[in-house]
This record gives sequence, C-alpha cells and structure tokens, in this order.
Amino acid sequence: GQSLEQPSEVTAVEGAIVQINCTYQTSGFYGLSWYQQHDGGAPTFLSYNALDGLEETGRFSSFLSRSDSYGYLLLQELQMKDSASYFCAVRGYNQGGKLIFGQGTELSVKP
Amino acid sequence: DADVTQTPRNRITKTGKRIMLECSQTKGHDRMYWYRQDPGLGLRLIYYSFDVKDINKGEISDGYSVSRQAQAKFSLSLESAIPNQTALYFCATSAQRENKAPGELFFGEGSRLTVL
Repeated sequence: GQSLEQPSEVTAVEGAIVQINCTYQTSGFYGLSWYQQHDGGAPTFLSYNALDGLEETGRFSSFLSRSDSYGYLLLQELQMKDSASYFCAVRGYNQGGKLIFGQGTELSVKP
Repeated sequence: DADVTQTPRNRITKTGKRIMLECSQTKGHDRMYWYRQDPGLGLRLIYYSFDVKDINKGEISDGYSVSRQAQAKFSLSLESAIPNQTALYFCATSAQRENKAPGELFFGEGSRLTVL
C-alpha cells in the first residue's frame, strides 16, 4: 500500500520561511506533488518533483530525496494569504498514475 | 466559466436516499477522478476513470458507484446515503500524457453533502 505523513499544523509569522515535510511509503514511485487548499475550496497544484533535488517556483520551492522517501515544500517571504492547507501526494507504479494524498498540513501565518 | 464544474455545490439529504453528484469538464482530459475530503483525513480517492470505457475503484469505493457517460462527464452516485458519507466531494481531471503536467490534477469547486 501507500502512506504519507506530514505535520497536521504549522504556524509561522509574516515574512518568515517555513518548511512542510512529507515522508512517504509506496511500492514504486513516479513523483511527489504539492497542492494548496484555501478554506475548503478547490485544491490547486503547486509543484511536482520526479527527480531528486530542488524545484523553485517564485516564493515556493519543493524538494525530493527518493533515497530517503522524503520531500518538503518551502515557502519563503510568507504572506497572510499563504494561510491554507498544504497536501503532498504521490504517484506510484502500482497506482496507475492516480494520486494518493497525505492528510494535509494547516499553515497559519500570523502578523 | 470553470474548467471543471460540479453540481450540486451543496446538498442536504436524508438517510436512505439516492444521491447523484455530477461533474463535467472542458479541459479535454481523458482522466477523471472522484475524491472525498473529511476534516483531518485529507483527500481520499473513491473512483477514477482513464477513458469512457474504464472504471476503477479507489481507496474507499464501498457505498459508491460511478458512471462515465462521456469523456467530459463523470458522475458519482450514493445508492442509499448514510450519515458517515457526509463530506466534501471533489471531482478532478488530469492529462493522459505523463510529460504534460505530470502529477497535476485540476479540481472542481467541490460538492458539500450532508446526510441526516
């Protein structure tokens, strides 16, 4: 089977940097995705890592270590609007391309 | 207009009633999915379909059925709703070819279902 673990809550202040970790277990692995969700709205895609290393998109970066079955989402220069839930998700060989999601991390950004 | 549209957006029903949630998309994607979200449990996959003739069970398919009426339409049915099916339901789509936005799903706005 597949499983993912991420912290349930993270709190940080505006302007700071925060890292949200994700560890996964899956048989076979295509890649790790990250999604953002505001207040029960539609989740939106942030990033995808298929190879080891850091992918940067503006203030957000995502990292993957396949050997450690570990990844993280890094948010820099935090803004109040970054307060949201963040989900990691894996695509594994045995999953036929479908995504299995973690339980989500609720990020609260304080003034 | 939204690329992935779900109807209804909100529904309150009673135990034992049959409910259908509908999803339509204009993205031209072959792959469609139904997820369920409960507080603290993330998004759990109910069913998915990779083309009109393809239906697959996800993590939590018991008590649900689906129909892929056309490439653009994927509906989720609860034949006899029960209170623990109260949840937020999301439809999503993705591109078939892996090198085209791999790992990216496009979600609808969600359908909030309450079963009394």
